[in-house]
Amino acid sequence: DAKTTQPTSMDCAEGRAANLPCNHSTISGNEYVYWYRQIHSQGPQYIIHGLKNNETNEMASLIITEDRKSSTLILPHATLRDTAVYYCIVRALNTGTASKLTFGTGTRLQVTL
Amino acid sequence: GAVVSQHPSWVICKSGTSVKIECRSLDFQATTMFWYRQFPKQSLMLMATSNEGSKATYEQGVEKDKFLINHASLTLSTLTVTSAHPEDSSFYICSARKTYSGSRSYEQYFGPGTRLTVT
Repeated sequence: DAKTTQPTSMDCAEGRAANLPCNHSTISGNEYVYWYRQIHSQGPQYIIHGLKNNETNEMASLIITEDRKSSTLILPHATLRDTAVYYCIVRALNTGTASKLTFGTGTRLQVTL
Repeated sequence: GAVVSQHPSWVICKSGTSVKIECRSLDFQATTMFWYRQFPKQSLMLMATSNEGSKATYEQGVEKDKFLINHASLTLSTLTVTSAHPEDSSFYICSARKTYSGSRSYEQYFGPGTRLTVT
């Protein structure tokens, strides 16, 4: 799996959009970009994933650059409950049972009043 | 859907004893389950991958005789920490992956974690 680079930490005011960047310059053509988050002392929570098109769901939007070397997770209206560590992971889906999610250090997002 | 539970949520045990942690997929079948360990202020580290009905595959540096994994059914995997020592104190998280194919098929769903403290 390709490695990703994320800022160590970010702050965001409550109610504002949180934009979390991720670099994955060595991503392969068959690898998807996944985002998970981990609230303190809980298991990771799936947020969203995509291949090359932008994706949106009830939690967030994922913007992937045309060359797929970077992406941005957007939380449109951050709340205090969005305070967590956000992990950007790239992974192929066609590796069957050998496919693994490998977590990096992630971005610690602190949402403030 | 896609709920994964773990039991217990926390456990304290004495050094030298063994502890079993259960991971269940409540509303889906999981051919593959994963066990992670997380030390304070660190990221999740994959320990092993287990497939139903076969032996687990351990990551480099993880002692298979110390961390026994059993995946006897499509909804249950267990991790047994044998002869636990204080350095085994950690947050253990399991993850389950659905069996069917499709664009969302390889999503992994995580349990809430089990905090193990060895005294």
